[in-house]
Amino acid sequence: QKEVEQNSGPLSVPEGAIASLNCTYSDRGSQSFFWYRQYSGKSPELIMSIYSNGDKEDGRFTAQLNKASQYVSLLIRDSQPSDSATYLCAVISGGSYIPTFGRGTSLIVHP
Amino acid sequence: GAVVSQHPSWVICKSGTSVKIECRSLDFQATTMFWYRQFPKKSLMLMATSNEGSKATYEQGVEKDKFLINHASLTLSTLTVTSAHPEDSSFYICSAEDPGTSGSDEQFFGPGTRLTVL
Repeated sequence: QKEVEQNSGPLSVPEGAIASLNCTYSDRGSQSFFWYRQYSGKSPELIMSIYSNGDKEDGRFTAQLNKASQYVSLLIRDSQPSDSATYLCAVISGGSYIPTFGRGTSLIVHP
Repeated sequence: GAVVSQHPSWVICKSGTSVKIECRSLDFQATTMFWYRQFPKKSLMLMATSNEGSKATYEQGVEKDKFLINHASLTLSTLTVTSAHPEDSSFYICSAEDPGTSGSDEQFFGPGTRLTVL
């Protein structure tokens, strides 16, 4: 069974700090990786996708992928209170088009 | 990113009635759409994969006769909760892939429909 694991948190960081969110997955054949942000009572919003090993940066967000270790992480620089949300990791295995979602990590950025 | 809409955004109904939720891709054509359910403070649960012009594929434990899915066009999928009961009260969210984007397997979510069954 394909699994995507995330620490449920909450992860609490001060405003301006770097928030580091981690995700591990069980299927070594996974090809596509995504981070979504979900505010309370709202639907998920795609933040980033990453497909190859290494870092991918978009503004204050950096996704990091290490296929050998089967983990993907999301760094949020200069965290803001508006970043407080649940962050969902999603993984698609090779040969599939259906993502498997983690349970999400709750992030709290306090002033 | 691609835009997915849902209607209605919230609905309250009496137990035993049926509720239809629409999911539309506004600026792209979606061969495949996905239906999720999320209970408060719980994770997303995939209910079914909706394929245009064919039968939906339901996840294990999801009653296909209770949750009717129709994907009649490349821009519209509907989920009908038949004979709804209070335990069906949840946040229903659809998503779709935009094959025209650079990451062709990126999913874009609709805003969700909050269903309350009295």
